[in-house]
Amino acid sequence: DTAVSQTPKYLVTQMGNDKSIKCEQNLGHDTMYWYKQDSKKFLKIMFSYNNKELIINETVPNRFSPKSPDKAHLNLHINSLELGDSAVYFCASSQGPPGLPGEQYFGPGTRLTVT
Amino acid sequence: AQKVTQAQTEISVVEKEDVTLDCVYETRDTTYYLFWYKQPPSGELVFLIRRNSFDEQNEISGRYSWNFQKSTSSFNFTITASQVVDSAVYFCALLNNNDMRFGAGTRLTVKP
Repeated sequence: DTAVSQTPKYLVTQMGNDKSIKCEQNLGHDTMYWYKQDSKKFLKIMFSYNNKELIINETVPNRFSPKSPDKAHLNLHINSLELGDSAVYFCASSQGPPGLPGEQYFGPGTRLTVT
Repeated sequence: AQKVTQAQTEISVVEKEDVTLDCVYETRDTTYYLFWYKQPPSGELVFLIRRNSFDEQNEISGRYSWNFQKSTSSFNFTITASQVVDSAVYFCALLNNNDMRFGAGTRLTVKP
């Protein structure tokens, strides 16, 4: 039974489109995260979120927004996609407050390609 | 400004050798957290450890150990008796005031 799942695994889309990546965790964790890994393998945390607090990395464009329908899900919405958004996006979850990741469990990643 | 430097871009060792991955960080704050993550060739991310700035005790977990030295702003990671399955990219990260920075990663190749 997968602990943290993401869909889709691959996403190819054109510039200007709006897309979403879904993330679900069945670990009962309080906090979920989104990370971005670019083509040079550089990692960046984008958001950390629980039902009370959202922490946004100030470098993340406001075209990116996390949406959480419930504690087990944190979806990533991206508007007006740009070529530079091409990357692998990882979802993760952990116990504890956002902004202080404890032991995190990661999803398999979603490879987004913007053409 | 915060910064994490992993000066070793790539390391190659033969199985059973010990290997140390270096991580040097910069921060002006006294309260911060340090992390190590592993990314095997399959691409997933694996959390390895989190340490806070007030706990300088070295940590050992099986063949893995971490040496945290505030005096040199380093949080180095040693794998003892390396195995082929240890081949991966390893990332060090620094967190404080909700600002998390990653190093560029060190690619470790363990040859049989």
